[in-house]
Amino acid sequence: EAGVVQSPRYKIIEKKQPVAFWCNPISGHNTLYWYRQNLGQGPELLIRYENEEAVDDSQLPKDRFSAERLKGVDSTLKIQPAELGDSAVYLCASSSRASGATLVSYNEQFFGPGTRLTVL
Amino acid sequence: AQKVTQAQTEISVVEKEDVTLDCVYETRDTTYYLFWYKQPPSGELVFLIRRNSFDEQNEISGRYSWNFQKSTSSFNFTITASQVVDSAVYFCALSEARGGSYIPTFGRGTSLIVHP
Repeated sequence: EAGVVQSPRYKIIEKKQPVAFWCNPISGHNTLYWYRQNLGQGPELLIRYENEEAVDDSQLPKDRFSAERLKGVDSTLKIQPAELGDSAVYLCASSSRASGATLVSYNEQFFGPGTRLTVL
Repeated sequence: AQKVTQAQTEISVVEKEDVTLDCVYETRDTTYYLFWYKQPPSGELVFLIRRNSFDEQNEISGRYSWNFQKSTSSFNFTITASQVVDSAVYFCALSEARGGSYIPTFGRGTSLIVHP
């Protein structure tokens, strides 16, 4: 089974330029997450999708960041314009919702390899 | 608010040594989940274990073992007879379930270096 796919793996841009990251989750996973991981830190959630609906975007800097998951499968995260502080690894993860409604039935997240963004 | 503390920034051991990675957490929830992830140099976070707050039974999986103690809010991870391939950054994470999904709060990670 293929894992979470992300592209590009690396991106170097100058500040004020736009940039976009793409994620293809594991087939059948309805929940998709975007995280940002700064150097020496753990990942921090930016946005979570349930199918095509963004259900948690409270940590997404909406002035410059946007995301979409139009058909509930692939997702794109965009930054426009990029700032120096946006340099980080952007991770995508996906998970499936197991049958049943109890908390213990939710499944773990599978992460992609990430996109390392460098803003000069 | 949730918080995860991994006080050990970096640990260096020689192959075959046992090593314990510490994790202390804070939460006001009575129902929560604890995780450990491994992040090798390739960058991909690899899920190792999930434990819910009602299950304090320790778990062993091969050379890996986990010690969950609610009394001290700790969820420590031990690697027995470490190997060079264990070299990675290890993250402890805490999650409440929000809207049906885990939303983990990660610690800062512990970098483990295993020397041959």
